[in-house]
Amino acid sequence: DARVTQTPRDKVTEMGQEVTMRCQPILGHNTVFWYRQTMMQGLELLAYFRNRAPLDDSGMPKDRFSAEMPDATLATLKIQPSEPRDSAVYFCASGLRTNSPLHFGNGTRLTVT
Amino acid sequence: KQEVTQIPAALSVPEGENLVLNCSFTDSAIYNLQWFRQDPGKGLTSLLLIQSSQREQTSGRLNASLDKSSGRSTLYIAASQPGDSATYLCAVTPGGKLIFGQGTELSVKP
Repeated sequence: DARVTQTPRDKVTEMGQEVTMRCQPILGHNTVFWYRQTMMQGLELLAYFRNRAPLDDSGMPKDRFSAEMPDATLATLKIQPSEPRDSAVYFCASGLRTNSPLHFGNGTRLTVT
Repeated sequence: KQEVTQIPAALSVPEGENLVLNCSFTDSAIYNLQWFRQDPGKGLTSLLLIQSSQREQTSGRLNASLDKSSGRSTLYIAASQPGDSATYLCAVTPGGKLIFGQGTELSVKP
């Protein structure tokens, strides 16, 4: 059963440290999304890729966040430097094509102290 | 700016009851609407996707309807079971990306 894989599952780090989250989308899916979930804000879109090209990263704080797809099997989300307000669960999702059902990974729970 | 609202925020029902979850959106220019389920500590699982040209979709005990003109969707769950307990989220697609509601937390009591 194909699934989206995210690593690490949990990450605890100190303020100011760099954090890298990784995602392996389902093979053959051409859209990849990064979402952040908090109790207060719910699910917020951070970045959206189609065929590895970034289409929308308007929800991402540009000064500290960056998202890339070095190849079709890997998407990364990097925070440098991290801050306590970045504490959240970060989800990666992939879809076969635009407007197809999305498949979510189990998320990376980030805690910045 | 598209906004998605889900009512109620939480719902508790006895097992066996039929129930309806509501979702409303402010901009009717959408490609589709999806309903997801999220279990604690897990990612989201897609339940139903309704294209903008469709009125409803069914899967097992689940039925989702879409009224684009009024900006509303409902998720109907028949004969609820304790295993249905989860948070249910709806999301609309204006074009590629999904915009989510805050979810309805459902608890089905045995």
